[in-house]
Amino acid sequence: RKEVEQDPGPFNVPEGATVAFNCTYSNSASQSFFWYRQDCRKEPKLLMSVYSSGNEDGRFTAQLNRASQYISLLIRDSKLSDSATYLCVVNEEGTGGFKTIFGAGTRLFVKA
Amino acid sequence: DTGVSQDPRHKITKRGQNVTFRCDPISEHNRLYWYRQTLGQGPEFLTYFQNEAQLEKSRLLSDRFSAERPKGSFSTLEIQRTEQGDSAMYLCASSPFGETQYFGPGTRLLVL
Repeated sequence: RKEVEQDPGPFNVPEGATVAFNCTYSNSASQSFFWYRQDCRKEPKLLMSVYSSGNEDGRFTAQLNRASQYISLLIRDSKLSDSATYLCVVNEEGTGGFKTIFGAGTRLFVKA
Repeated sequence: DTGVSQDPRHKITKRGQNVTFRCDPISEHNRLYWYRQTLGQGPEFLTYFQNEAQLEKSRLLSDRFSAERPKGSFSTLEIQRTEQGDSAMYLCASSPFGETQYFGPGTRLLVL
């Protein structure tokens, strides 16, 4: 089983649609959680951190369910510029510090 | 530009050759990370430094791979006796105390 699993998609949605991505992680001791965005042939960039209480940043809402070990990202009112790969990221405690585990990403295409 | 920089941006080498990549983190970021990313996958964690100390290494980091950060500033990643399977994008990221990682543009390696 992969440490962090995501539906690879692609998700094809029209502008203005609401779309949701889920992610599951295997290590119950994982400490912190993030969503990153990666555009084609570019480096990943932080979209938002994910907190147990849930958090919102404009059109984006992230949720964490520690009991079920899943993380979600909701995008409302999709824009063409939201087309990208969304990476679910988990920090786990390692032997000397911590290590960061990325999911394989979910591809989103927003159409006009 | 005060972001993370990587050099070279592209490298083509023949199987069996050694290659070295450099990463310059954002000034005063004490944490530095190396990842490898192949097409359709998320970044795979390789190693992590806090200042000059290498605190965590992935099992992916075989004995052909070595990373250093001698003065706690820039870092190098060396691959000895390259294999075709080493072809990938090598990403470097840095962070201050805290967990948001800022990525460089990557070094794309092709082993012929």
